[in-house]
Amino acid sequence: DIVMTQSPDSLAVSLGERATINCKSSQSVLYSSNNEHYLAWYQQKPGQPPKLLIYWASIRESGVPDRFSGSGSGTDFTLTISSLQAEDVAVYYCQQYYSAPLTFGQGTRVEIK
Amino acid sequence: EVQLVESGGGLVQPGGSLRLSCAASGFTISGHWMHWVRQAPGKGLVWVSRISPDGSNIIYADSVKGRFTISRDDAKNTLSLQMNSLRADDTAVYYCARAYNSLDYWGQGALVTVSS
Repeated sequence: DIVMTQSPDSLAVSLGERATINCKSSQSVLYSSNNEHYLAWYQQKPGQPPKLLIYWASIRESGVPDRFSGSGSGTDFTLTISSLQAEDVAVYYCQQYYSAPLTFGQGTRVEIK
Repeated sequence: EVQLVESGGGLVQPGGSLRLSCAASGFTISGHWMHWVRQAPGKGLVWVSRISPDGSNIIYADSVKGRFTISRDDAKNTLSLQMNSLRADDTAVYYCARAYNSLDYWGQGALVTVSS
């Protein structure tokens, strides 16, 4: 199984400041036939299901604000919130869909400083 | 509008059974891989099972293999999860999710509590 490890477990950022979450996979999630990284990011607010933010490591899902961006390659990926808003308080998960079983990172809690 | 609505959750004793359903609307499940993901109280997301569009390719997490069965009824546009021999550590909110560029739509979840 591919192990996904996020860092940090939690972070507190001032409103308007940048938040950065890292995700490392235990093996590459790059599918060579289409040169895509099978890596997604989700946002989960209390009492709600996860919401897809980013897929193919860097493609923003329709309707997701452009302050959210994904980057990375190979085994190291990053989710960046360029200017944190109050509504961004949530837990964020990375997930690989390169191979079964699909696996998630442990989650990163983002709070307002 | 795409919607997924789970039902069938509840309180069950250890060793008991429960069947979850996920009614889809706004799209046909026959065109998609469909998944179940669970989340224990206060914990992270854990993938449970998936089924291919034609139902021929099914995979389970090791923790539920032999106890859970995923199925689909394309006529009713519904995904199901039959859960047998339930244990306390199966207590979780169970989400069904559609696969398209990872998991793009999720239901609101069904709470399953396994306790005596």
